Amino acid sequence: NAGVTQTPKFQVLKTGQSMTLQCAQDMNHEYMSWYRQDPGMGLRLIHYSVGAGITDQGEVPNGYNVSRSTTEDFPLRLLSAAPSQTSVYFCASKGLAGAGEQYFGPGTRLTVT
Amino acid sequence: GDSVTQMEGPVTLSEEAFLTINCTYTATGYPSLFWYVQYPGEGLQLLLKATKADDKGSNKGFEATYRKETTSFHLEKGSVQVSDSAVYFCALSASNFGNEKLTFGTGTRLTIIP
Repeated sequence: NAGVTQTPKFQVLKTGQSMTLQCAQDMNHEYMSWYRQDPGMGLRLIHYSVGAGITDQGEVPNGYNVSRSTTEDFPLRLLSAAPSQTSVYFCASKGLAGAGEQYFGPGTRLTVT
Repeated sequence: GDSVTQMEGPVTLSEEAFLTINCTYTATGYPSLFWYVQYPGEGLQLLLKATKADDKGSNKGFEATYRKETTSFHLEKGSVQVSDSAVYFCALSASNFGNEKLTFGTGTRLTIIP
């Protein structure tokens, strides 16, 4: 069981470039989300999805797009990278029933120069 | 809105010492409470959880009790080991219409020295 996988592990971008962070889960979870982790700020929710075709914004959505065409995949797109998006990005998933565990991927460390 | 305040770090302890990491929260309704742990270079793993008042979560020798009257969920361990060195996050989830958002504290870095 792979759980939640993320690619790439590390990425360096120049300001203005675009890229997609990949996230996949094999647990048939309805709920998937993206967080960013910054020093001294904990993790903050960027976008989330409660199922294929359904997405919504979290607390820091600006500069990021998402889509959910399948249950398994939830990519995060940076349309025009900015230095303020330098962060570690985590994808998480959870079944919708009950207060169960959210499973986190290993993270993508992104640097924007 | 919802918020979590946890003890600032870093915290350095000797092996076999007693550990407490304080966590208090603000939320409407009746949130579920969690402690997550992040080992170096890894993602977050659930350490323990509690879903209602007076519940005690426990795992790997760690414990935390959901105290509604003091809005607290302090993490404790009686005898820490070097392998417990990690960053610990307190979090709450006030699941609302399918948004399973976790609200995190800022994290506490724990280092255990032999």
